[in-house]
Amino acid sequence: QVRLVESGGGLVKPGGSLRVSCAASGFTFTDHYMSWIRQAPGKGLEWISCISGSGTVIYYADSVKGRFTISRDNAKNSVSLEMSSLRDEDSAVYFCARERSALANWGQGTLVTVSS
Amino acid sequence: SYVLTQPPSVSVAPGETARITCGGNNVGSKSVHWYQQMPGQAPVLVIEYDTDRPSGIPERFSGSNSGNTATLTISRVEGGDEADYYCQVWDTSDDRGVFGGGTKLTVL
Repeated sequence: QVRLVESGGGLVKPGGSLRVSCAASGFTFTDHYMSWIRQAPGKGLEWISCISGSGTVIYYADSVKGRFTISRDNAKNSVSLEMSSLRDEDSAVYFCARERSALANWGQGTLVTVSS
Repeated sequence: SYVLTQPPSVSVAPGETARITCGGNNVGSKSVHWYQQMPGQAPVLVIEYDTDRPSGIPERFSGSNSGNTATLTISRVEGGDEADYYCQVWDTSDDRGVFGGGTKLTVL
């Protein structure tokens, strides 16, 4: 069955950097877009970014464009989100999900807290 | 940028029908997906491409989409359906994912 496991969350100071990753299994990884979505405490879902199966097509939300970089390693079935110039408002649970449109499977999320 | 509008809350008695709306400019021309999120858990896709139920989702869940409103309908509501529900589209004009603000379903 499809399994997505995020890792790498933690506490980081404003202006700092952090990399979160997602290990995928149970499906042909290169056939699918992968997406990142976040949820601030007590708030709704916010789409962040997605990357095509080959890694050649990438999209970002305006709120993170220029600060976050999505990438994937198809040899390791993993997708990552490199986050820099972090702000308080980037504090959230970060979920990875399979697909771009209908997000068929989600990981359990990893918590990123930006605070001094 | 494209905006999806959901009511913050919907309340319904057990056994009744819950309807959760998702408004957007000409949303009927887009594919709408719906997610259920229980407290402390990841979202689960319950309706994809306006009307399709993924495997394992009860037939009580259905969707429609026309004009400026998409609707998630939950028939014969049970206590276990109490959750937050989100609509979502892929906006092809901006190449961005868009979520509605979410609706908290309360079962009275």
